[in-house]
Amino acid sequence: NAGVMQNPRHLVRRRGQEARLRCSPMKGHSHVYWYRQLPEEGLKFMVYLQKENIIDESGMPKERFSAEFPKEGPSILRIQQVVRGDSAAYFCASSPRDRDNEQFFGPGTRLTVL
Amino acid sequence: GDSVTQMEGPVTLSEEAFLTINCTYTATGYPSLFWYVQYPGEGLQLLLKATKADDKGSNKGFEATYRKETTSFHLEKGSVQVSDSAVYFCAVEGGGNKLTFGTGTQLKVEL
Repeated sequence: NAGVMQNPRHLVRRRGQEARLRCSPMKGHSHVYWYRQLPEEGLKFMVYLQKENIIDESGMPKERFSAEFPKEGPSILRIQQVVRGDSAAYFCASSPRDRDNEQFFGPGTRLTVL
Repeated sequence: GDSVTQMEGPVTLSEEAFLTINCTYTATGYPSLFWYVQYPGEGLQLLLKATKADDKGSNKGFEATYRKETTSFHLEKGSVQVSDSAVYFCAVEGGGNKLTFGTGTQLKVEL
């Protein structure tokens, strides 16, 4: 059973460009979570999604950031007009429907904004 | 909101030494508690968890006991190995499936 997949693993963008981060949950998992890890810090919750629904986006910055988890395909975290402060590792996690509080993490996407 | 405080690192130990990484939390209700491990360049892996008071989570020789009276979940291992070198994160889930993490403790084990 493949784990949580994230791509790309590394992403370099210039200020003002858009970044799209993808996450494919583990097979059978219907809950997806995004976390951000700034250098030398722990992970901070950003958003919790189920298929076609945003359940909790209390950790998402109000502007430039959006997330979706469509009926088909991976979950996408989109960052518009990136700034240097967006440079971080972005981790996706997923959990199965019946064991909501055990989250399995992907390898992360390391975003560097030049 | 929920919060987690864990001891700062790096913690440097000799192989076969005893390990303790302290973790305390604040959360309302009856949270679940977790330890995750992150190896260099990788994502987090669940190491162990406990879902109610006095539960002991254990895995790969690591243990942690859910102490509600002291709001603690300290990680212990009796004899560390070089391969245990990693960053360890304590986390709490107080409801709503949102994990709150500590800042992480880097462990370095030397021969």
